[in-house]
Amino acid sequence: DADVTQTPRNRITKTGKRIMLECSQTKGHDRMYWYRQDPGLGLRLIYYSFDVKDINKGEISDGYSVSRQAQAKFSLSLESAIPNQTALYFCATSDPGTSGSWATDTQYFGPGTRLTVL
Amino acid sequence: GQSLEQPSEVTAVEGAIVQINCTYQTSGFYGLSWYQQHDGGAPTFLSYNALDGLEETGRFSSFLSRSDSYGYLLLQELQMKDSASYFCAVRDHGDYKLSFGAGTTVTVRA
Repeated sequence: DADVTQTPRNRITKTGKRIMLECSQTKGHDRMYWYRQDPGLGLRLIYYSFDVKDINKGEISDGYSVSRQAQAKFSLSLESAIPNQTALYFCATSDPGTSGSWATDTQYFGPGTRLTVL
Repeated sequence: GQSLEQPSEVTAVEGAIVQINCTYQTSGFYGLSWYQQHDGGAPTFLSYNALDGLEETGRFSSFLSRSDSYGYLLLQELQMKDSASYFCAVRDHGDYKLSFGAGTTVTVRA
């Protein structure tokens, strides 16, 4: 079974609809992230969470909200979807590993959710 | 903030060597990471350099020069399966979150 799962894998919705993307992990990691990927722009950070009580905005948080329901679950919501939110969305987790340092942690990505807003 | 530059595309033939350069500007530096992403798939970690020099992992090597704010990923003995996008990433000074470059698409031809 995959360590980081995302649902749904594909979603087509209409402008103005509310939509939630879900992420679950079995790796036991404290840190979780939501990224957006657009062609030619790489991965841009939307929100990140260091634990259940610690949620932070990334570089492109406008139009998005998140909920960290448990250590294993981190959801991304689009309250009122718009066409320029059409993108590939990735959830990721990380931990400091054997080094014990967040400066060297490795991120583990889910399979992605392809979202289309019409 | 962070700023990273890498070429958008590289094409090479099987068996060749490809070097993907990455230059960065960052307020604080905790190392340069590289991730690989096959078309439509999840990015996966390749390598990390915290100190100057070359790190080798099989056919892939990564180099860092902190004084030049520059690094590169070297892909040797290219195989068709190496066709993918490669992202460099640096870590934020405050809370260590990653900032990614726009990615380099490597196409390997027969």
